[in-house]
Amino acid sequence: GENVEQHPSTLSVQEGDSAVIKCTYSDSASNYFPWYKQELGKGPQLIIDIRSNVGEKKDQRIAVTLNKTAKHFSLHITETQPEDSAVYFCAASKENYGQNFVFGPGTRLSVLP
Amino acid sequence: ETGVTQTPRHLVMGMTNKKSLKCEQHLGHNAMYWYKQSAKKPLELMFVYNFKEQTENNSVPSRFSPECPNSSHLFLHLHTLQPEDSALYLCASSQVQAGGVRTDTQYFGPGTRLTVL
Repeated sequence: GENVEQHPSTLSVQEGDSAVIKCTYSDSASNYFPWYKQELGKGPQLIIDIRSNVGEKKDQRIAVTLNKTAKHFSLHITETQPEDSAVYFCAASKENYGQNFVFGPGTRLSVLP
Repeated sequence: ETGVTQTPRHLVMGMTNKKSLKCEQHLGHNAMYWYKQSAKKPLELMFVYNFKEQTENNSVPSRFSPECPNSSHLFLHLHTLQPEDSALYLCASSQVQAGGVRTDTQYFGPGTRLTVL
């Protein structure tokens, strides 16, 4: 089955700096990769996603890149702000009826003012 | 708000109790999910319902019993739980295209924090 690894497990950056979180997956058939942000006391919220027919996607300060050959994808946050502090999860999925998202273990991001 | 609500937000129960968790989605989706989130396994899929039919059961113990009466509501019935079942239980929903040819993202509720004494 699919296995998703995520690094680093914790990340501290200064406000205004960039943050990069990387995930690797094992199943080459996976073709949908969402990123979620979870703040304390809340459920995970989708922040950006990418499908395998695209190499990069950007939404304001957030971007995701996908390397299908190497089976890894990364989340890039630029100009970080204190409100970006949260736990971030990546996931991988195959487009099938099962809808089985396999999540990475999470990265705790702290943006220091 | 994500359009997915869960009640109660917090629940404390003894090992002999029977309780139920409720999830409701207001997004018009046709698929619903239960996840368990704990320190050991951050996001672990438990059950999947597509069009009210259970399509996934990831080796979940029978002390957890899901129910999906319609595409908007999902329940998780709990009985004779163990202390290691203490966790955050998250509900999610998504829209599945006909024939399951496209994966759309899942939207999560805020979760129920369960403590088993």
